[in-house]
Amino acid sequence: ILNVEQSPQSLHVQEGDSTNFTCSFPSSNFYALHWYRWETAKSPEALFVMTLNGDEKKKGRISATLNTKEGYSYLYIKGSQPEDSATYLCAPSWNQFYFGTGTSLTVIP
Amino acid sequence: DGGITQSPKYLFRKEGQNVTLSCEQNLNHDAMYWYRQDPGQGLRLIYYSQIVNDFQKGDIAEGYSVSREKKESFPLTVTSAQKNPTAFYLCASSIFRGRTNTEAFFGQGTRLTVV
Repeated sequence: ILNVEQSPQSLHVQEGDSTNFTCSFPSSNFYALHWYRWETAKSPEALFVMTLNGDEKKKGRISATLNTKEGYSYLYIKGSQPEDSATYLCAPSWNQFYFGTGTSLTVIP
Repeated sequence: DGGITQSPKYLFRKEGQNVTLSCEQNLNHDAMYWYRQDPGQGLRLIYYSQIVNDFQKGDIAEGYSVSREKKESFPLTVTSAQKNPTAFYLCASSIFRGRTNTEAFFGQGTRLTVV
């Protein structure tokens, strides 16, 4: 069992606020780090897959960074909107995915 | 449309009965996975398969069995030996390259309730 920690566990923000979450994972034998968004009553969907130390990815108002040497990744959401409300999962990937427990984001209109 | 399909969406079974959850994908993905989610917990890996006719135990394989006779299909059987089978079950697939995976695609999940 691989220890993948996500913080905070849950978060409530006002519409328009920017926010960020953390994913921590063991830095040895690293291959890739995945971020997924899981909306209620839907299937998880991939946001980013990152492989290189220092990698930064962006999709609209959402971006992510990766530090493989120290074993962490940050997910940023700029100007949160109600439709961003979801659980955000990170998963380091070796021969399988190791999912964290997720950060539940609620954006209040 | 390509995708991954789980059925049924809701399933009720009596205690002591085996039950099989279906997972089918037409994405031509090599790897398939079964996860379990309980309230307040993350996704825990039950079994995974990277190639036809081969599969590996995940972190919580006890009380479960799988088969991978076709690339498209990875059914999960919840046996009577599983002590607490009531949970949400999620199937996923991905392309497996070398030692890592491309992004995972997920089914809609099956909520199993054992009474």
